[in-house]
Amino acid sequence: EVQLLESGGGLVQPGGSLRLSCAASGFTFSSYAMSWVRQAPGKGLEWVSAISDSGVATYYADSVKGRFTISRDNSKNTLYLQVNSLRAEDTAIYYCAKDGDPRPPSPYYFDYWGQGTLLTVSS
Amino acid sequence: DIQLTQSPSFLSASVGDRVTITCRASQGINTYLAWYQQKPEKAPKLLIYAASTLQSGVPSRFSGSGSGTEFTLTISSLQPEDFATYYCQQLNSHLITFGQGTRLEI
Repeated sequence: EVQLLESGGGLVQPGGSLRLSCAASGFTFSSYAMSWVRQAPGKGLEWVSAISDSGVATYYADSVKGRFTISRDNSKNTLYLQVNSLRAEDTAIYYCAKDGDPRPPSPYYFDYWGQGTLLTVSS
Repeated sequence: DIQLTQSPSFLSASVGDRVTITCRASQGINTYLAWYQQKPEKAPKLLIYAASTLQSGVPSRFSGSGSGTEFTLTISSLQPEDFATYYCQQLNSHLITFGQGTRLEI
């Protein structure tokens, strides 16, 4: 059974930093691209970032480029998102999501999602 | 960036109804489109990918169609558990965008 378990969220002051983690199990983690998708309270879904299966290629939404860094450790089956220079508008539930197909293109679509971790940016 | 516009944003329907949600892309995206269902306080669930391929385990009352810039999600006969918010999602040049969502209510 595929499982994605996010952690690391919390309350952070504007300008602060945090690292989100996503522990994966139930599939060959190193074969799939992974993404982070966020959802602000009462709002829609916003894709944040993606990383290739090997970790060599990374992609970012314009809203977080230069502030967030995605990475992965395939030996630990874990995905990360380092979030820096946080703003109030970064407040959201952050989901990690598994790509649905190990073949290109990637990222493409998401067949499994974690339960999310809440990041709140406030003074 | 490619924008996705869903219509309607809000839809009121009844059990047994046939409903259709439209997703329009600002540029052609071939069939790189997926549909998700999200219920309150839950993570999204994949329904359709590649515009028309039904994800394993999803009931056959859900179907998708379209290519290029116009896509539709159809629920042939609404069930009580289908009342939720639906999102389309596209891929273009390794960048993902979602539609703004369609809230389906009784």
